Amino acid sequence: SAVISQKPSRDICQRGTSLTIQCQVDSQVTMMFWYRQQPGQSLTLIATANQGSEATYESGFVIDKFPISRPNLTFSTLTVSNMSPEDSSIYLCSVEDRAGGSTEAFFGQGTRLTVV
Amino acid sequence: DAKTTQPNSMESNEEEPVHLPCNHSTISGTDYIHWYRQLPSQGPEYVIHGLTSNVNNRMASLAIAEDRKSSTLILHRATLRDAAVYYCILRASWGGATNKLIFGTGTLLAVQP
Repeated sequence: SAVISQKPSRDICQRGTSLTIQCQVDSQVTMMFWYRQQPGQSLTLIATANQGSEATYESGFVIDKFPISRPNLTFSTLTVSNMSPEDSSIYLCSVEDRAGGSTEAFFGQGTRLTVV
Repeated sequence: DAKTTQPNSMESNEEEPVHLPCNHSTISGTDYIHWYRQLPSQGPEYVIHGLTSNVNNRMASLAIAEDRKSSTLILHRATLRDAAVYYCILRASWGGATNKLIFGTGTLLAVQP
C-alpha cells in the first residue's frame, strides 16, 4: 500500500492567481496521476506525471494551465494557473506501483479549491 | 476505452446484502473489471478486481457473468460506513503507460439504518 499526503487540503484563492498542490508518497512508485473532481461530478484524469520528463496530458488539459512537476519517485506538484471560478474543484493525486505487477491505485484525500 | 453502465443510485438497509450491477458489453478479452468506491469527502479506494472467475476479499465479492458482459459487486452485510459512490472500471491487463484509470459516473449507494 501507499500513503499519500496532499497539501494544502483546501484553499480559497483569488481569480487570476495560481496555486501549487503538493503530493508526497511514503514509498517510491512508478506512476503518479492528477485528477480533477468538479462539484457533484466524477473524477476526470488531468495528466500522468512522468518522472524526469514532461507530463502526459489528457484531452482538454494543457501544460500552460496545469503545469506538473515530478522530480523523483515520491513527489509531484500540480499548479492551477491563472485561476477562474470554473477551476473550483477537488484535485486528487493518485499513485500506482506497477513494479510488482500491481495495478491497484491509491488516492490522496484531495485538495478542495475554491476560486472567488 | 470500453464503457461501463451503472445505475445512478441504489438504496439498501443496514446489515442486508447489496448487489451493485455493472454492464460492460464491449469488454475486451484483456480487460480486468475493477471496482473502487469513494466515501464522502475522501479519495477513491480500491475494492476488488477480477478477470473471469468470481473473486472474494475482506471487503466484497465480485461476481462476473460467464460472457463477461456484466458483473455484480456484492457487499454481504451493508453498514452505514459503506455509503459511498461505487465505480466499476475496465482496465487492460497490461501495465503500459497508457493504461489509465478512467472513472464513469458510478452508483451512489445510500444505506438506511
